[in-house]
Amino acid sequence: DGGITQSPKYLFRKEGQNVTLSCEQNLNHDAMYWYRQDPGQGLRLIYYSQIVNDFQKGDIAEGYSVSREKKESFPLTVTSAQKNPTAFYLCASSTGPEGHGYTFGSGTRLTVV
Amino acid sequence: GQQLNQSPQSMFIQEGEDVSMNCTSSSIFNTWLWYKQEPGEGPVLLIALYKAGELTSNGRLTAQFGITRKDSFLNISASIPSDVGIYFCAGRSNAGGTSYGKLTFGQGTILTVHP
Repeated sequence: DGGITQSPKYLFRKEGQNVTLSCEQNLNHDAMYWYRQDPGQGLRLIYYSQIVNDFQKGDIAEGYSVSREKKESFPLTVTSAQKNPTAFYLCASSTGPEGHGYTFGSGTRLTVV
Repeated sequence: GQQLNQSPQSMFIQEGEDVSMNCTSSSIFNTWLWYKQEPGEGPVLLIALYKAGELTSNGRLTAQFGITRKDSFLNISASIPSDVGIYFCAGRSNAGGTSYGKLTFGQGTILTVHP
């Protein structure tokens, strides 16, 4: 079955360490997105990519980095420069501008101690 | 940039009651979408709307694309405990530039249903 997979589901890291969250999709979608969600809050866009080898900053890109070397994969690195990294991270994909909305992964909960 | 105002922020209702929530935008959208997010999971698409005035149902859920193209409504009839979750509206504009195709999300409505 086609879908979008985020791993791991739960991640614990020490303060000051970089950590990479995985996002893989087999939907043949061109566009991929990373969102951050804090408890009881909405979705804030971190980065997005509309095509391989290209990506754009979202509203809260500081302290994060991404790569898009393959169509299927869009990993997110949370760097030590991110001041408050503990959050729920959601990856999504879509067919592009005329697609039927986004398909979301099941999320990764990152806790930094 | 584009903004969506979603209301109410939260609702506490009794099982069997009907629910209404809405989103308004400062600009025109060409697509309106409604998602539901259950605790610890990603949002799942409930209803997609593509034409002004369109009214679409999905079981007990009904959504409408406002005629002005700046608003949308979601109604849930005869709520049940499994309706609990966060409901998000999202809009897409076909305007050019880097925002082309990207969804703008509302802040979400947290729904609690008491048995």
